[in-house]
Amino acid sequence: DQQVKQNSPSLSVQEGRISILNCDYTNSMFDYFLWYKKYPAEGPTFLISISSIKDKNEDGRFTVFLNKSAKHLSLHIVPSQPGDSAVYFCAARRLTGGGNKLTFGTGTQLKVEL
Amino acid sequence: ETGVTQTPRHLVMGMTNKKSLKCEQHLGHNAMYWYKQSAKKPLELMFVYNFKEQTENNSVPSRFSPECPNSSHLFLHLHTLQPEDSALYLCASSLGSDSYNEQFFGPGTRLTVL
Repeated sequence: DQQVKQNSPSLSVQEGRISILNCDYTNSMFDYFLWYKKYPAEGPTFLISISSIKDKNEDGRFTVFLNKSAKHLSLHIVPSQPGDSAVYFCAARRLTGGGNKLTFGTGTQLKVEL
Repeated sequence: ETGVTQTPRHLVMGMTNKKSLKCEQHLGHNAMYWYKQSAKKPLELMFVYNFKEQTENNSVPSRFSPECPNSSHLFLHLHTLQPEDSALYLCASSLGSDSYNEQFFGPGTRLTVL
């Protein structure tokens, strides 16, 4: 039973446009969400996170939105750049009682085209 | 370069072989993790060590045997594996494991079991 779902395995966007990557979760105990980025032959690297007490967190070109009632979060990248081409993983954890265990989605391959 | 290294990067082994995966972190962290990523599946947490003590075993078969001799090194000993164990094995570390601390990942070992 997958508790974190990324239903789009791939996404293609033109350079300069907005990339929107989506993630849904089923476990209402999750209260902290993260996005990781992974290039080929490298491990995932942390990108941005959001606590459930917020609905938006912004860091430069990256913004994460959280809709708790819909159990949905999204990562917006604007403007998209070719270097953003990578696999993006959504992850979730319980801040209380969950230790530091992360539950990951299957990832979305983003391709930013020139 | 995240400060977490893994060797070997690629490994091919037969079902009767015994091999070990090695992970080393140079970040002064106290918690280390093993994850498995099978094709088209999310990263799955296997083991967590905190200050050299195992704090999590996510129902992993005994043919996978972790070892953490100190906070900087983590091993995964493999014996009598099955072809379905072929996957990317990722190591991660964090400052602690009892509350949220960003996890830093190594590049992974691509394992193929024949």
